[in-house]
Amino acid sequence: NAGVTQTPKFQVLKTGQSMTLQCAQDMNHEYMSWYRQDPGMGLRLIHYSVGAGITDQGEVPNGYNVSRSTTEDFPLRLLSAAPSQTSVYFCASSYGDRVATEAFFGQGTRLTVV
Amino acid sequence: DAKTTQPTSMDCAEGRAANLPCNHSTISGNEYVYWYRQIHSQGPQYIIHGLKNNETNEMASLIITEDRKSSTLILPHATLRDTAVYYCIASPDNYGQNFVFGPGTRLSVLP
Repeated sequence: NAGVTQTPKFQVLKTGQSMTLQCAQDMNHEYMSWYRQDPGMGLRLIHYSVGAGITDQGEVPNGYNVSRSTTEDFPLRLLSAAPSQTSVYFCASSYGDRVATEAFFGQGTRLTVV
Repeated sequence: DAKTTQPTSMDCAEGRAANLPCNHSTISGNEYVYWYRQIHSQGPQYIIHGLKNNETNEMASLIITEDRKSSTLILPHATLRDTAVYYCIASPDNYGQNFVFGPGTRLSVLP
């Protein structure tokens, strides 16, 4: 049972490049979400999904796309990377059939856009 | 989510209880109080949550005032490994997701 796995752990992109941050969970969780954390700040919600085929925007969705074709995977796509997207990205998952439950977070992807 | 206010930083001696306060004076009736912590730059780790009653688990205790306007997270015997940023979050029943994280409290456990 690996929990929430994020790949890659580190990435450097040039401005304008695109890439996909991967997130996978093996706990059969319905809910998954993406956050970003800038230096010295708390986490901010980018996108979330309440189940396969269903996604919605969070607080800071601009510049990011998501899809949820399976329960296990929730990739985050950067369409055209900008220096303002330099951040640490965290994926989280939780059960969708119980209330007020614990969310499990991945170890993060540290992205630098130059 | 209701706004929460926490001290920027706190120190605690190793082996002593760490009491981390949180103010959530605008909390609504359907909002739970969650606590998470983040050690170094790892992913946040769930600690505990509650609605009205005090709660205890193997990691910590959560004391919520009767008017629910504030709460305290208690780590009964702090160790050096408890040094982390602690986040208090007031959030509706969102199945543990879609939180608003503030800057949190940086707890330093001192030997």
